[in-house]
Amino acid sequence: AQKITQTQPGMFVQEKEAVTLDCTYDTSDQSYGLFWYKQPSSGEMIFLIYQGSYDEQNATEGRYSLNFQKARKSANLVISASQLGDSAMYFCAMGRGATNKLIFGTGTLLAVQP
Amino acid sequence: GAVVSQHPSRVICKSGTSVKIECRSLDFQATTMFWYRQFPKKSLMLMATSNEGSKATYEQGVEKDKFLINHASLTLSTLTVTSAHPEDSSFYICSARDLGGSYEQYFGPGTRLTVT
Repeated sequence: AQKITQTQPGMFVQEKEAVTLDCTYDTSDQSYGLFWYKQPSSGEMIFLIYQGSYDEQNATEGRYSLNFQKARKSANLVISASQLGDSAMYFCAMGRGATNKLIFGTGTLLAVQP
Repeated sequence: GAVVSQHPSRVICKSGTSVKIECRSLDFQATTMFWYRQFPKKSLMLMATSNEGSKATYEQGVEKDKFLINHASLTLSTLTVTSAHPEDSSFYICSARDLGGSYEQYFGPGTRLTVT
């Protein structure tokens, strides 16, 4: 069965510090994609970063980087230099199959403190 | 960037009535759209995959007669909650894949449904 696990219901980080949000996944597929989305209190889902299962390099997008460890089936999100506007819910998701339908984790609520 | 709109953003209806939610891709064509449901402080749960010109594929446990999905064109999918009950109150979000794109899904802003 396909599953995404986020073990941190909530995290605190000081402004300007880096923070790592954990994500592990379970799949028997060889080809899949891993996504991170940010959901502020307004509700919209904001795409942050993507990692393909065959990508050898860790994905980076500005202050976001994905620490992909395939053997451990983990895809942790690292946010560097946290900003107050980073406070939101963060979801890890896995896409699979021809339609790339997404399975989401339970999310981590990040609070950035001044 | 690609934009997906949803209408309405918020709706309140009486128990027993039906509500239609629209999901539109504004600047790209989408052969596949997805409908999700999210309870407060919970994750997104995939309800169904909507394919243009064919029947939607529903996830296990989702009543297809309750949640009617129509994907009439490459830019529009609709979700109709039929005979709504208070337990149908939720946040409904759609997403769309670009016909010419690769992996990314673009999400709409969501529709908050309250059934009284």
